[in-house]
Amino acid sequence: QVQLQESGPGLVKPSETLSLTCTVSGGSVNTDTYYWNWIRQTPGKGLEWIGYVYYSGSTKYNPSLKSRVTISLDTSTNQFSLSLTSVTAADTAVYFCARDGGGGHGSGSFYYWGQGALVTVSS
Amino acid sequence: DIQMTQSPSSLSASVGDRVTITCRASQTIISYLNWYQQKPGKAPKLLIFGASNLQSGVPSRFSGSGSGTDFTLTISSLQPEDFATYYCQQSNRTPLTFGPGTTVDIK
Repeated sequence: QVQLQESGPGLVKPSETLSLTCTVSGGSVNTDTYYWNWIRQTPGKGLEWIGYVYYSGSTKYNPSLKSRVTISLDTSTNQFSLSLTSVTAADTAVYFCARDGGGGHGSGSFYYWGQGALVTVSS
Repeated sequence: DIQMTQSPSSLSASVGDRVTITCRASQTIISYLNWYQQKPGKAPKLLIFGASNLQSGVPSRFSGSGSGTDFTLTISSLQPEDFATYYCQQSNRTPLTFGPGTTVDIK
């Protein structure tokens, strides 16, 4: 059974960088079958897809965040990470990592999720 | 971006009721539509992928239908554990986008 777990600071100051890591167990991130995603949820904007990273290191980001986002993969630790720069209060959210379902209609649907990490942007 | 809308935004129902939630995409997404259930403090759980494919382990009272721009999630006989918020999500094009959610609560 694949499990994902987010970790990182729960409080980030405005203008600084938000950094989160997702640790994957029960499966390898070094596979050409799946995409590894970050999604966030706020009361105001609901669920927002941030982007994904593929085992090759290729990425795709939401254009609304693209200038501030980096998602990377570390196969040696079986983790992937999110970096969001120049944060403001609007970036306060619960951040989820998720794995998609693989090819066909599974691609782009989120089969496995982490439990979520609340990140608050405040001075 | 493909905009997703859902109706109703909330509904009240009783155990045993048949419940239908509608999702509409701003342009065709063929059948790349997924449904999730979320309970407070938890991550969303995938129920249906590809518009009508039941995810493994999900009870058969859940079903999905539709194609193009209009989709439906049906719960044939609502159970106590089904009171939750339901989201649709399109996976046809990036950026992947979600609907605003439909909250199902107890009448």
